[in-house]
Amino acid sequence: GAGVSQSPSNKVTEKGKDVELRCDPISGHTALYWYRQRLGQGLEFLIYFQGNSAPDKSGLPSDRFSAERTGESVSTLTIQRTQQEDSAVYLCASSLEGLYTDTQYFGPGTRLTVL
Amino acid sequence: QKEVEQDPGPLSVPEGAIVSLNCTYSNSAFQYFMWYRQYSRKGPELLMYTYSSGNKEDGRFTAQVDKSSKYISLFIRDSQPSDSATYLCAMSYWRLYGQNFVFGPGTRLSVLP
Repeated sequence: GAGVSQSPSNKVTEKGKDVELRCDPISGHTALYWYRQRLGQGLEFLIYFQGNSAPDKSGLPSDRFSAERTGESVSTLTIQRTQQEDSAVYLCASSLEGLYTDTQYFGPGTRLTVL
Repeated sequence: QKEVEQDPGPLSVPEGAIVSLNCTYSNSAFQYFMWYRQYSRKGPELLMYTYSSGNKEDGRFTAQVDKSSKYISLFIRDSQPSDSATYLCAMSYWRLYGQNFVFGPGTRLSVLP
């Protein structure tokens, strides 16, 4: 079956531009997570959705970052006025119910480069 | 102190060696412990999980948890070049609301033929 997909796979943008990253979770998965992974670093939690509500936005680094989710489907992460420090791989994961025992299935990531 | 600590490596071993990867944690609320494997330019994928203190074996892989010491390990026997990847420990606990997963920073492993 289809796994988690993300688009675009690579994005190069100029400092100050806005970017939108997309995540398609596994069908039927109610929980969706966004992480940021800087080069050689671990996963930095950004935001978690249960259905289309976001009970935990605590990881969003600034108000330039926002995310939304349509129902239990597609999610978009938007970064406004991009800065060079936003360069990273943005990973999306989904899990069946968001339980602490659920496996998180990851997409391949979007590699963002801000020039 | 970070909630989960892991030696980032890189760790290089010859093919056939036994590999030991470790994480320490500070939050005694963690109940569920996982190891994810991440190949270059791919997303992480679950390798093993365990609930309780003790050992869990799956083929060449053994996960070990010591809750009293807040220490978890992953052992890889007869390591293969295909095991070359970054290994991230992860742990979680029940929360009524909010994110309950924490990932370690990952250890980069190279198994040399």
